[in-house]
Amino acid sequence: GAGVSQSPSNKVTEKGKDVELRCDPISGHTALYWYRQSLGQGLEFLIYFQGNSAPDKSGLPSDRFSAERTGGSVSTLTIQRTQQEDSAVYLCASSHGLARTQYVDEQFFGPGTRLTVL
Amino acid sequence: SQKIEQNSEALNIQEGKTATLTCNYTNYSPAYLQWYRQDPGRGPVFLLLIRENEKEKRKERLKVTFDTTLKQSLFHITASQPADSATYLCALDLSFSGGYNKLIFGAGTRLAVHP
Repeated sequence: GAGVSQSPSNKVTEKGKDVELRCDPISGHTALYWYRQSLGQGLEFLIYFQGNSAPDKSGLPSDRFSAERTGGSVSTLTIQRTQQEDSAVYLCASSHGLARTQYVDEQFFGPGTRLTVL
Repeated sequence: SQKIEQNSEALNIQEGKTATLTCNYTNYSPAYLQWYRQDPGRGPVFLLLIRENEKEKRKERLKVTFDTTLKQSLFHITASQPADSATYLCALDLSFSGGYNKLIFGAGTRLAVHP
């Protein structure tokens, strides 16, 4: 695709409900990242995928958070039993994911999903 | 503790002047450092990457320096324009083998360029 897309753009949910956020990376990008950005804060790393596997899940805040990636493409971030502190913008990024040699493996970000937990 | 600090206050400058944004970090030894621009309601957009063995990198009106001794990067926009108004994010690039580059972001500095 032309860029990274995310859906929905906005999600309002009630405390305790489960939510699913979707990310469509740039075609051909093997690396995919999820970040969370709270108001006035920097981006907080959540999880990294290389292909369909997740070698680094170290940023997931609790076991209520999980993510999967299928077919080396689309990824879904699931938050179970949402809490008010989960309210934030969730950003997805993708990159070539090739070994860094002489080029810049920049990350391309989607527009984010704004999650509001009431 | 590990920290990345950027100018916490918004930076207001006059059009045509040079904007200088600061990124300081502790307890990391990044191989690379990246700068991104973020506009309201949008995801960050990559601007520049500088390697640890580079002192300076330029791209059009942008200049980045990287001092691994001071653990500091400076980001300059020369001949600033109102269109440069945005939040600028510094990110330490902790590259690992296999094509995985983990970015640790600062909170960003909001720049406002006034006509």
